[in-house]
Amino acid sequence: KAGVTQTPRYLIKTRGQQVTLSCSPISGHRSVSWYQQTPGQGLQFLFEYFSETQRNKGNFPGRFSGRQFSNSRSEMNVSTLELGDSALYLCASSSKDVTNTGELFFGEGSRLTVL
Amino acid sequence: AQSVAQPEDQVNVAEGNPLTVKCTYSVSGNPYLFWYVQYPNRGLQFLLKYITGDNLVKGSYGFEAEFNKSQTSFHLKKPSALVSDSALYFCAVRDRDDKIIFGKGTRLHILP
Repeated sequence: KAGVTQTPRYLIKTRGQQVTLSCSPISGHRSVSWYQQTPGQGLQFLFEYFSETQRNKGNFPGRFSGRQFSNSRSEMNVSTLELGDSALYLCASSSKDVTNTGELFFGEGSRLTVL
Repeated sequence: AQSVAQPEDQVNVAEGNPLTVKCTYSVSGNPYLFWYVQYPNRGLQFLLKYITGDNLVKGSYGFEAEFNKSQTSFHLKKPSALVSDSALYFCAVRDRDDKIIFGKGTRLHILP
């Protein structure tokens, strides 16, 4: 069974640009969550999508957005990039079925550098 | 608000010695608690979870964790550390909105 796939793995952008990151969950998983990881703040929750609907949202500005497609693949977008957006962006999928108690399966992340 | 705290940024342990990585939580109701590990340039991997039942939970790679309700703690333990255990460890809790909230992580160094 293939794991969670994130693309691209590495990218460099300049301030003011926008970026789109992609995540393909484990087959059969309908929930996709996104996290931002930085050395100082640890893992911070961005948002969660389930069956194409946003279920939860963290405390990030509106420049951060996401969506989920009918095949459960998800994208997140960051507009008007700032230096502080440099981070590792992690995607995690979960089955969210009645037997699931919350374990997340993570991709390897997309490392964004903003210059 | 639901939260977890990892009071140590870094823990150093000699190979072969027992290790403990600390975690305390703040939740309303019964907690769902997790430990994850992250190796360099990788995503997080699930280690173990506590949902209900026995307070001592066993997980992957010989790790275990002890749930203590009175101290609101969920410390990660291993009887004998390996150099390959060196990594970043995250404690997490499932909050009332069903999202997983992580602590800031503890870097574990196992010294040969």
